[in-house]
Amino acid sequence: ETGVTQSPTHLIKTRGQQVTLRCSSQSGHNTVSWYQQALGQGPQFIFQYYREEENGRGNFPPRFSGLQFPNYSSELNVNALELDDSALYLCASSERLAFEQYFGPGTRLTVT
Amino acid sequence: GQNIDQPTEMTATEGAIVQINCTYQTSGFNGLFWYQQHAGEAPTFLSYNVLDGLEEKGRFSSFLSRSKGYSYLLLKELQMKDSASYLCAVAFVNYGQNFVFGPGTRLSVLP
Repeated sequence: ETGVTQSPTHLIKTRGQQVTLRCSSQSGHNTVSWYQQALGQGPQFIFQYYREEENGRGNFPPRFSGLQFPNYSSELNVNALELDDSALYLCASSERLAFEQYFGPGTRLTVT
Repeated sequence: GQNIDQPTEMTATEGAIVQINCTYQTSGFNGLFWYQQHAGEAPTFLSYNVLDGLEEKGRFSSFLSRSKGYSYLLLKELQMKDSASYLCAVAFVNYGQNFVFGPGTRLSVLP
């Protein structure tokens, strides 16, 4: 059974640029959630996708957008990057009703 | 709004028992989770409570009281490897599924 994978591991971008982060969910999981985690803080929920549709969204601006594909993998896109977007971005997958979320290793984004 | 409180740091001795408390205020409650996160790593699922009561899983137990907005994670027979941050998270429904995490409790296990 393959776990949740994310790419890239690390990324450095300049303020104003755009970034795409990718996530492959665990086998058999059709729900993907994205989180932003600043150093020393708990993860903040960005949004969740279920069967290719957004199923819930946290308090993040529209420049944070996502996609889920038919194979249940997912992308997180962030436009007009700001310095405060520097964080660890975590993807988690789960079965729809189970809520037991399995996290990927994360992508460390640095905005300079 | 949604809010979760948990102690910032705790210290305990190897072999002892420690209880990490979590209080929350939320509407549309749909379950409470505990995660363990070692420094530099992703969170790992520990437990899930949706009904009141105690859930036991090996050395870890989690308790929920929905009427009090209260949960705790109990760790028994502490080991050095249990030194980590413990995150309390609540699932709730608000125009779709949503989650809020607490700030985490950093547990240090001393020999």
